Amino acid sequence: GIQVEQSPPDLILQEGANSTLRCNFSDSVNNLQWFHQNPWGQLINLFYIPSGTKQNGRLSATTVATERYSLLYISSSQTTDSGVYFCAAFPFSSGSARQLTFGSGTQLTVLP
Amino acid sequence: GAGVSQSPSNKVTEKGKDVELRCDPISGHTALYWYRQSLGQGLEFLIYFQGNSAPDKSGLPSDRFSAERTGGSVSTLTIQRTQQEDSAVYLCASSLNWGGTEAFFGQGTRLTVV
Repeated sequence: GIQVEQSPPDLILQEGANSTLRCNFSDSVNNLQWFHQNPWGQLINLFYIPSGTKQNGRLSATTVATERYSLLYISSSQTTDSGVYFCAAFPFSSGSARQLTFGSGTQLTVLP
Repeated sequence: GAGVSQSPSNKVTEKGKDVELRCDPISGHTALYWYRQSLGQGLEFLIYFQGNSAPDKSGLPSDRFSAERTGGSVSTLTIQRTQQEDSAVYLCASSLNWGGTEAFFGQGTRLTVV
């Protein structure tokens, strides 16, 4: 099946700093999503972005489908941004197991 | 409904007992996923229902695990003869169709086997 790799595994920032999280995937995709898992374990949808660029407030994401990676940008980080960020991919090809596969996540800690 | 609903929120069971976890997907969503997340770990795929097609069961860890989806809506994940290693948060998600449309997650069921 498709492989999804995220980097860095851990990131510690001071409040107000900017950051970039990366997601690499091994196959063409129909779906690429970014989620934030809050301290209560709830997975919050951030972006549905199989290609292109989207922005939502201080967050934006870019997926370059031809090069098989996606980036999540967090600007002016706040302590409430802390948590685990996951990307997940659903492969386009029928040769790969067609299921939504998650990366191992980036643990973000924003210090006040 | 407005979102994916899972019940119960928490379940404590004795080793060896059977448990059933329930997932109510978003109305009209034909695809439904189950995942498991152990403490501090990522999401482990369990099973994927794709409308009326045969489900993808490739992630079920043993034959003690089974799932069904009745009438294309509600799904039940059953774990028989529970073991301590089954302790985890079980997460359900649904999406509009099976072609990789946006998936939305429920709040999860925290299972503790004592």
